[in-house]
Amino acid sequence: DGGITQSPKYLFRKEGQNVTLSCEQNLNHDAMYWYRQDPGQGLRLIYYSQIVNDFQKGDIAEGYSVSREKKESFPLTVTSAQKNPTAFYLCASAKQGEITEAFFGQGTRLTVV
Amino acid sequence: KQEVTQIPAALSVPEGENLVLNCSFTDSAIYNLQWFRQDPGKGLTSLLLIQSSQREQTSGRLNASLDKSSGRSTLYIAASQPGDSATYLCAAPYNAGNMLTFGGGTRLMVKP
Repeated sequence: DGGITQSPKYLFRKEGQNVTLSCEQNLNHDAMYWYRQDPGQGLRLIYYSQIVNDFQKGDIAEGYSVSREKKESFPLTVTSAQKNPTAFYLCASAKQGEITEAFFGQGTRLTVV
Repeated sequence: KQEVTQIPAALSVPEGENLVLNCSFTDSAIYNLQWFRQDPGKGLTSLLLIQSSQREQTSGRLNASLDKSSGRSTLYIAASQPGDSATYLCAAPYNAGNMLTFGGGTRLMVKP
């Protein structure tokens, strides 16, 4: 089955620790995105990538980093510089072009302990 | 920059009612608009994608309309069922990279 896989489903981070969230897609999509969702709020864009080895900051990139070494993979690292990382993180992918439908993974819930 | 607003924020209806969810956006220069469903603790499921050249898109009991000139889209759910209970999000792209700007969502509860 084609789709987007995020792992892990739940992640706990200690203060001062970096953690990496995985996102893999087998839809052959060029574009991939990371969003953050806080309780009762809409989604906010963290980073996006339209092609391998290239990525751009979104609206709330501070404290996060990404890489795009393969078309299928777009991991997100939450660094210790992110002061309020507890949130629900969603990865998405889409074809390039003007008319494009975005597909989402099932999310990773990150909690600071 | 695109801004998206959804009204109402929450809605509770008895089973069987027809209902309308509203979405407004500020930048009408969009190629498409997408509606999603989100169940608690889950990811987003794409419901409908409306292209700018279309005015309506239908899938089963769902019908979405798009009026670019007024900056509005509506999602119509016919004969609502308890299984329709979820949060519904609309999203519009805001540049050529097709990054989506999301509304805050409408949390729908359909009571048996």
